[in-house]
Amino acid sequence: QVRLVESGGGVVQPGTSLRLSCAASGFIFSSYAMHWVRQAPGKGLEWVAVISNDGKSIHYVDSVKGRFTISRDSSRSTVYLQMKSLRAEDSAVYYCAKGAGHEGGYDYLQNLWGQGSLVIVSS
Amino acid sequence: DIVMTQSPDSLAVSLGERATINCKSNQSVLYSSNNKNYLAWYQQKPGQPPKLLIYWASTRQSGVPDRFSGRGSGTDFTLTISSLLAEDVAFYYCQQYYSAPITFGQGTRLAIK
Repeated sequence: QVRLVESGGGVVQPGTSLRLSCAASGFIFSSYAMHWVRQAPGKGLEWVAVISNDGKSIHYVDSVKGRFTISRDSSRSTVYLQMKSLRAEDSAVYYCAKGAGHEGGYDYLQNLWGQGSLVIVSS
Repeated sequence: DIVMTQSPDSLAVSLGERATINCKSNQSVLYSSNNKNYLAWYQQKPGQPPKLLIYWASTRQSGVPDRFSGRGSGTDFTLTISSLLAEDVAFYYCQQYYSAPITFGQGTRLAIK
């Protein structure tokens, strides 16, 4: 069964750091790009970052550039989102999502999502 | 960045009737080399993650009922539910995956009239 399970969320103070993890199972992890997408409470979806299947290509939304880092560990079938200098506006449910492939546009398309991990940034 | 705009923001349709959601991008998401539109539609029910319904603007994801259909090209797209069921109550989002940053429309809330 294909599955994504996020962990690491919580309540943190502004300016601090947090690392989210997403454990993947049921598919060949190294063959697929992986994404993080967030959703603030009561708001729409905002794509955050993507990492290619081989980890060599990475893109971020402008609002997190320089503060967030996406990475992956194929030995653990896990993708990470390291978040630094957190702000109140980063408060959201963070979803890990599997790319539909590794090239040809399928890498940028998400075809499976985890249940999400809630991050609240508040003093 | 490619801006995606959906209309309407909210829609109420009677059971068994057709529901139509529009999505417009501020630049084309049609890739000329393969003639594919990099446009997807997602459904999100309360308390659940999004679910992929349609990709390449008109290709249904495996397992998605055929009452869901997508059409359009370039900058203008439509998601249609041909005969609304109660289980279709949800938010619907269009997304362009033509270029990073990947962007979503603001969402359309679909309810029963």
